[in-house]
Amino acid sequence: DSGVTQTPKHLITATGQRVTLRCSPRSGDLSVYWYQQSLDQGLQFLIQYYNGEERAKGNILERFSAQQFPDLHSELNLSSLELGDSALYFCASSVGGDSLSPLHFGNGTRLTVT
Amino acid sequence: GENVEQHPSTLSVQEGDSAVIKCTYSDSASNYFPWYKQELGKRPQLIIDIRSNVGEKKDQRIAVTLNKTAKHFSLHITETQPEDSAVYFCALGAREYGNKLVFGAGTILRVKS
Repeated sequence: DSGVTQTPKHLITATGQRVTLRCSPRSGDLSVYWYQQSLDQGLQFLIQYYNGEERAKGNILERFSAQQFPDLHSELNLSSLELGDSALYFCASSVGGDSLSPLHFGNGTRLTVT
Repeated sequence: GENVEQHPSTLSVQEGDSAVIKCTYSDSASNYFPWYKQELGKRPQLIIDIRSNVGEKKDQRIAVTLNKTAKHFSLHITETQPEDSAVYFCALGAREYGNKLVFGAGTILRVKS
């Protein structure tokens, strides 16, 4: 168990809808990262938050947004969903705010858009 | 900018043989090199990492070697077992990359028993 909690485990929704994915980092970790993994694809970095503030942005679509709350949990909001958004979404946390600390991944949320 | 190439994309070995996966990068600012293992349907897990001031690191059957001059680092798995079958990702980090780890495309390792 990595100590990173993601909910829900599975999400099935229709095109055009909006969903929220939730992540609680390991105790003591201040950074939260979001990654998207499509079928047979690698890990695509979406966005990082550190202690409540956005730190880095990757290939995140404008339809997607995220935030980190004062208790350090994070939410990833996906709107106007398309079939191509179907993927496994991972949250990871680390102690530091830079890319020099090990990432601890949650078990992911599998999103299926029909 | 940061870029990491991982080879091979798939690797099949006989149980008991060794497996080697190599990653090359272009930016000399990289100074953190972790390896992650992802079993089917599961989360990526850190298996070993190395920093730029170290040339080699071992942990039981796995080892990572780093050649900063040639800008490549490799994962070595000895005495492979069926449970080593998974996707392996290399990654690299540097403060210059804007606080994100850059991942390789992954290697599917199959250990045949």
